[in-house]
Amino acid sequence: QKEVEQNSGPLSVPEGAIASLNCTYSDRVSQSFFWYRQYSGKSPELIMSIYSNGDKEDGRFTAQLNKASQYVSLLIRDSQPSDSATYLCAVNRDNAGNMLTFGGGTRLMVKP
Amino acid sequence: DTEVTQTPKHLVMGMTNKKSLKCEQHMGHRAMYWYKQKAKKPPELMFVYSYEKLSINESVPSRFSPECPNSSLLNLHLHALQPEDSALYLCASSQDRRVPYSGANVLTFGAGSRLTVL
Repeated sequence: QKEVEQNSGPLSVPEGAIASLNCTYSDRVSQSFFWYRQYSGKSPELIMSIYSNGDKEDGRFTAQLNKASQYVSLLIRDSQPSDSATYLCAVNRDNAGNMLTFGGGTRLMVKP
Repeated sequence: DTEVTQTPKHLVMGMTNKKSLKCEQHMGHRAMYWYKQKAKKPPELMFVYSYEKLSINESVPSRFSPECPNSSLLNLHLHALQPEDSALYLCASSQDRRVPYSGANVLTFGAGSRLTVL
């Protein structure tokens, strides 16, 4: 079993819709979770970080964490074509620092 | 300055060459990282430096040799690479690897150096 799993997609949504991206992780001691956006040929860019169970909202983005189910999700409201990218879920596997393990990424396509 | 700067952006080298990748940050971060990312794959951690000392080596082959000359600079020396080492090499930094669960202690990535080994 992979440590961090994501559906590779592509996930296709129409412009203006809600895109829902999901991630599961295997290590129960993980405490911090991140969503990165990566455009083709570019480096990952941090979108959201979440440390506590529940929802965290930032603009059009909402991260959701359920530690009991070992599940993290990212919702993108009012999806725009510019949101088309690969979204990487990352889990901190070192509780003393920032050793991130990335999921394989989900490719999101927002169609005008 | 909130950037991590990597040079060169692109590098083509033969299997017998010696080259270096460079990374610089002026955010006062004390932890710096090298990640390797192959096409359509997620980044994989290679090395972590904390306060200029190598703290993590993820069993990386010795043909990759990291160096941290000071708190702002991180190098990756390359020697006798193989074609399968062709990838995007990402440098990242964070405030302090020893501070957990801090919203401020997240990784900032550079733009990457795309390496092709012929």
